[in-house]
Amino acid sequence: NAGVTQTPKFRILKIGQSMTLQCTQDMNHNYMYWYRQDPGMGLKLIYYSVGAGITDKGEVPNGYNVSRSTTEDFPLRLELAAPSQTSVYFCASSFGTLTGWETQYFGPGTRLLVL
Amino acid sequence: KQEVTQIPAALSVPEGENLVLNCSFTDSAIYNLQWFRQDPGKGLTSLLLIQSSQREQTSGRLNASLDKSSGRSTLYIAASQPGDSATYLCAVGAGANSKLTFGKGITLSVRP
Repeated sequence: NAGVTQTPKFRILKIGQSMTLQCTQDMNHNYMYWYRQDPGMGLKLIYYSVGAGITDKGEVPNGYNVSRSTTEDFPLRLELAAPSQTSVYFCASSFGTLTGWETQYFGPGTRLLVL
Repeated sequence: KQEVTQIPAALSVPEGENLVLNCSFTDSAIYNLQWFRQDPGKGLTSLLLIQSSQREQTSGRLNASLDKSSGRSTLYIAASQPGDSATYLCAVGAGANSKLTFGKGITLSVRP
């Protein structure tokens, strides 16, 4: 199993450009998450999904959009890149067993620089 | 709103020392609590998960405890090694959607 994979690893965007961060998991997890991590800060939840076709906002959703058409994929879209979106983005997934035993598995991250 | 605090932000210890990393949270109505390790430029790796009904979990040289009533968790690392140098993040899980609220992490440096 590859686990959670993210592409690209690093990207430089100009202000106003758009891009999609890709995330794929091969563990058949129903729950998927997008976080951003700024220097010296913890991770903040952007969006999450509890299954294909179901998404919901997290703590910092402004400026981002998501879709979940398959169990495996959960892309994150930036429509009009702003310098405030310079960050490291992590995708994660977990089983939604509703038992409290669900740990999240993280991808390696995408480093995004908006200039 | 749940807030998770980890103090201090950084810690440096000599090799072989036993150490404790602290985590505090404001809302005791939690689903679980997890400790993660993050190496520079890498993703997060889950170390230990404590379900809300548990008091502690152990894995090798690591032991995590949970006191919901006081809103605290500790990660105990026995006989620290240079390979333990990393950032350790505490995260509190709330609700059936398994959303996590993270602390800012403690950057640990173990000196040979």
